[in-house]
Amino acid sequence: QSVLTQPPSASGTPGQGVTISCSGSSSSIGSNYVYWFQQFPGTAPKLIIYRNNWRPSGVPDRFSGSKSGTSASLAISELRSEDEAVYYCATWDDSLSGRVFGGGTKLTVL
Amino acid sequence: EVQLVESGGGLVQPGGSLTLSCAASGITFGTHYMSWVRQAPGKGLEWVADINQDGSDTYYVDSVKGRFLISRDNAENSLYLQMNDVTGDDAAVYYCVASSWTEYWGQGTQVTVSS
Repeated sequence: QSVLTQPPSASGTPGQGVTISCSGSSSSIGSNYVYWFQQFPGTAPKLIIYRNNWRPSGVPDRFSGSKSGTSASLAISELRSEDEAVYYCATWDDSLSGRVFGGGTKLTVL
Repeated sequence: EVQLVESGGGLVQPGGSLTLSCAASGITFGTHYMSWVRQAPGKGLEWVADINQDGSDTYYVDSVKGRFLISRDNAENSLYLQMNDVTGDDAAVYYCVASSWTEYWGQGTQVTVSS
């Protein structure tokens, strides 16, 4: 069981928006930055959001991150078929003295 | 361009040892906090170990404490993971991660555990 809780699946139709949640605790999300990764089958995870809401160069502004208290969210607007992937949240946990990940959310674009 | 290239993966017998390496380029290696993260087949991401910029502090997930050793050579821009007493639960793709303001990930190296 993952320290961070994500819904196992999410879906939307092209052009729609979708939000993926990530729930943690005061020692994890509540005290540290949140990172989001996109992963396609057979490939390495790709960083799409760092330090809660910053996008690396090359990541479309359709992707945005937010954090409030002990929870964080990844919002994807104007869904495209190529957004279909597994999305992971991550942060540091002060109690565990280590990085923790969510279990991943498989996004399906219908 | 930032590149993190992992190597050293392969087939290892249960109870055996393996050392993974990560060669970094395109970053000032000595200013980056480094990590190993793994992903077992069909599973999610799992943090394995961290090392700070000068190598003086290391952290491990409980399941590898006492068996794995993370180290770095800033002069060689390299990160290492020495894996001892390997079990089937250690079979995974191992990723090298470099963190500062943002972070960078390598493409991973596969570790297979089988007799």
